[in-house]
Amino acid sequence: GNSVTQMEGPVTLSEEAFLTINCTYTATGYPSLFWYVQYPGEGLQLLLKATKADDKGSNKGFEATYRKETTSFHLEKGSVQVSDSAVYFCALISGGSYIPTFGRGTSLIVHP
Amino acid sequence: DAGVIQSPRHEVTEMGQEVTLRCKPISGHDYLFWYRQTMMRGLELLIYFNNNVPIDDSGMPEDRFSAKMPNASFSTLKIQPSEPRDSAVYFCASSGQGTNNSPLHFGNGTRLTVT
Repeated sequence: GNSVTQMEGPVTLSEEAFLTINCTYTATGYPSLFWYVQYPGEGLQLLLKATKADDKGSNKGFEATYRKETTSFHLEKGSVQVSDSAVYFCALISGGSYIPTFGRGTSLIVHP
Repeated sequence: DAGVIQSPRHEVTEMGQEVTLRCKPISGHDYLFWYRQTMMRGLELLIYFNNNVPIDDSGMPEDRFSAKMPNASFSTLKIQPSEPRDSAVYFCASSGQGTNNSPLHFGNGTRLTVT
């Protein structure tokens, strides 16, 4: 079956620090990969996605590259802001199912 | 695009009472999902619909939970009778196109507290 593994949080950083949140997956077929972000009191919203190997998704300064050889989709940002404090979810859709498989989420806390 | 709309945003009820959560998906979306989020269990898929038809309800925890989608623009999740362990944030989400590229669009959730 499909599964997504994320690094456990919380990740605590100072403003302007470099961010990496690790995500690895197992899937049948060729999955599409997603990062969602959940701000306090809100639902999840799509941050970025990649649909095939070596694709790079990017949005709001965040990036993630689809690495088929390492089955990974790590989220990175060069300089985080306090406003980036949120929970980040890695997800995939694969195998002819339109139902996403989510990771457990990683909480990010950015201090001024 | 108003997004996925859920109501109420907060619900506080006593054990044994019936609770009904409501969702209006994005117009034109064919899939509708109900999720539950707790600290202990994370994000759990309860049930999903395709073209108003329930496809998989294996995530519904007990018979006390039921969901309906009478038309393309409205769905309900009902808990009867409610119990304190049902306290959680319940999210509705919709997606269109039915491809593996289609992301989910989530509502802002209903925070349910059962005392």
